[in-house]
Amino acid sequence: AQKITQTQPGMFVQEKEAVTLDCTYDTSDQSYGLFWYKQPSSGEMIFLIYQGSYDEQNATEGRYSLNFQKARKSANLVISASQLGDSAMYFCAMRERKTDSSYKLIFGSGTRLLVRP
Amino acid sequence: DGGITQSPKYLFRKEGQNVTLSCEQNLNHDAMYWYRQDPGQGLRLIYYSQIVNDFQKGDIAEGYSVSREKKESFPLTVTSAQKNPTAFYLCASSWSGQGIGYGYTFGSGTRLTVV
Repeated sequence: AQKITQTQPGMFVQEKEAVTLDCTYDTSDQSYGLFWYKQPSSGEMIFLIYQGSYDEQNATEGRYSLNFQKARKSANLVISASQLGDSAMYFCAMRERKTDSSYKLIFGSGTRLLVRP
Repeated sequence: DGGITQSPKYLFRKEGQNVTLSCEQNLNHDAMYWYRQDPGQGLRLIYYSQIVNDFQKGDIAEGYSVSREKKESFPLTVTSAQKNPTAFYLCASSWSGQGIGYGYTFGSGTRLTVV
C-alpha cells in the first residue's frame, strides 16, 4: 500500500534562512505524483509545488523547491529565505491510482514549521 | 473567482444528532472529496465522488454519508453512528481522469464539535 512518511513533527528556522522538510514515500507504482501543501492556522490547504515521477528536473516554484530523489523515494521540500508568514503546517502528499482507476491523494502526518524573527 | 465554499465554518452537534456539512465548487471539477483532520494529524479520506450520482467510500467512511446530485455540490452528513465526530473537515475537488498531476483545490474547512 502507498504510504507517506514525514519524520519531523516540528521544525524551527531563523528568518531569512533556508529549511528542508523531509518526506519519504512508498509505492510500487511507476507513475505517481508528489505534492506539498501548506496549512496555516486558519485551516485552509494551500498548494505549493508538484513533482511527477517521470519529471527529470526538480520542481521549483518561487522560494519553494522539491528535492526529488527517486531511488531513495524521497521528496523533500526546501524553503529558501524563510519568512515569518511561512510558519504553518506542511503536508507532503502522493497521488495514487486506486483499483477502480480513480485517483486519490494520501497525506503524511505533517511538519509544523515555526519561523523565528 | 472560482473556488470551493464550505459552510458553516463552525458547527456544534449534540449527542445523537445528524448534521450536514455543505461543500460547493464553481471550478467545473468532476471529482470531489471529503477529508477529516484530527489535531496534529494528517488528512484521512472519508468519501469521494468522480461523477454525479456516484460516490465511493474512503478509508474512514463509517458513520458518514454523502450525496452527489449536482456536479457543484457534495454535502457530507455526520450521522449519530459516528462516535467521535469532533474534527476539522475539509472538502476538495479536482479534475478526474488519468492525470497524475491533477492536484486538489481545498475549501476553508468546517470545524465540528460535539457538545
